[in-house]
Amino acid sequence: GAGVSQSPRYKVAKRGQDVALRCDPISGHVSLFWYQQALGQGPEFLTYFQNEAQLDKSGLPSDRFFAERPEGSVSTLKIQRTQQEDSAVYLCASSLVFGTEAYEQYFGPGTRLTVT
Amino acid sequence: RKEVEQDPGPFNVPEGATVAFNCTYSNSASQSFFWYRQDCRKEPKLLMSVYSSGNEDGRFTAQLNRASQYISLLIRDSKLSDSATYLCVVIAQGAQKLVFGQGTRLTINP
Repeated sequence: GAGVSQSPRYKVAKRGQDVALRCDPISGHVSLFWYQQALGQGPEFLTYFQNEAQLDKSGLPSDRFFAERPEGSVSTLKIQRTQQEDSAVYLCASSLVFGTEAYEQYFGPGTRLTVT
Repeated sequence: RKEVEQDPGPFNVPEGATVAFNCTYSNSASQSFFWYRQDCRKEPKLLMSVYSSGNEDGRFTAQLNRASQYISLLIRDSKLSDSATYLCVVIAQGAQKLVFGQGTRLTINP
């Protein structure tokens, strides 16, 4: 079946521009996560949704970052007034059910954001 | 100090060799442990879960030492296709988010 998809795959933004990154999770997956991966580092947690509820946004680095999942499926990560330090790969992951033993999260291909 | 620490490598080993990676975690409340694999410019994918009793999947063996807060991954008879970055991952009790180490880069040479 279809995996997690993300768009755009690549985004170049000028410093100060706003960007919106989209994630389509696997159909039926209740949980959705956003991670940020800087070059040479492991992914770092940004935020987590269970259906439409944003249960954890402790990883969002500043109030310029905002995420939503209004209908409990597609999610959008928005970054306002982009800065060079926002350059990274933004990964979306989904998992089937909250609290499953395996906690397996399936990742999308990521959006590579470059801020110039 | 990062919550999950790994030797970033790179490790360069010949095909057929055995290679071991280690990882330590600082949160004693961590309850679930995994190794993920990430190929260059690709997304992370689950390689295997790690259990206290140790577990094996073909050429891969993972072990967890809760007392020392230490996780290991052993790859036997390494193949060229094993070249990737290996990410150590933990989940704290009651949490859902994955906490990743920096990753260890492995290159298998012919």
